[in-house]
Amino acid sequence: GAVVSQHPSWVICKSGTSVKIECRSLDFQATTMFWYRQFPKQSLMLMATSNEGSKATYEQGVEKDKFLINHASLTLSTLTVTSAHPEDSSFYICSARDFETDFLDSPLHFGNGTRLTVT
Amino acid sequence: AQSVTQLDSHVSVSEGTPVLLRCNYSSSYSPSLFWYVQHPNKGLQLLLKYTSAATLVKGINGFEAEFKKSETSFHLTKPSAHMSDAAEYFCVVSDPGNTGKLIFGQGTTLQVKP
Repeated sequence: GAVVSQHPSWVICKSGTSVKIECRSLDFQATTMFWYRQFPKQSLMLMATSNEGSKATYEQGVEKDKFLINHASLTLSTLTVTSAHPEDSSFYICSARDFETDFLDSPLHFGNGTRLTVT
Repeated sequence: AQSVTQLDSHVSVSEGTPVLLRCNYSSSYSPSLFWYVQHPNKGLQLLLKYTSAATLVKGINGFEAEFKKSETSFHLTKPSAHMSDAAEYFCVVSDPGNTGKLIFGQGTTLQVKP
C-alpha cells in the first residue's frame, strides 16, 4: 500500500530556532499533501494544503510566515516552523493522496507524525 | 460545509463486549466518510471508508460502520472488543472541493477493560 514517511519522528529545539519536518510519499506521487496539527487529547486540525510547484494554501488563522511549506517535487513536502516558541510544541502529521489512482473522495495516507517540543 | 460530530469523547467497554462509537455528519451533498484509528504518538490508520456504495461498510480488525442518510449518522461498531482496540478513533468527512481535504471529528477515546 501507499506509504508516507515523515521525518523526524520527534525533535526538541530551543525557542527562537527553526525546525524542518519532511514528508515523503515513498511509492507514489502526490501533487497535493496536507499538513495537520494535533494538540494533546485533541483532534487533527488542518494547517495547510501543500501544492507541488506552487504556493501552499493556508487555513484561516495559520500564520504562513511562521509555518513555511515547500512542495518542491511530487514526492516531498517540507514544513518549517520558524522562530519556534513553546506554544508551537505539538504533534504535526502530514498526509497525501496518490494523484494517479486516488479520487478526491479517497482516503488520505498519513505519516507517523512528528512530535515537536520547543524549550 | 462539511462537518462531523462524534457524540462521545470517551467510551469504556469490557474486553469481549460490543463497541459502539457514534458519529453524525453534516454535508451539503453525498459525503465520503471514513473512520481512522490512532494509537498513542502514532499516525493514523484507515479502518474503513464509505463512498456511496454499500451502506454497510466492513473494515479491518472486525470493525464495521453503517451509513444512515435519514439519521445523518455513520456509527462505528465491533461485536467484541479486544484489548488492542484501545486507541483514539476519528470520524472523518471528505471535502470534495478541488483538493479533497479531510475534516476530522473531535475524536473518541476507546478504553477496553480486562
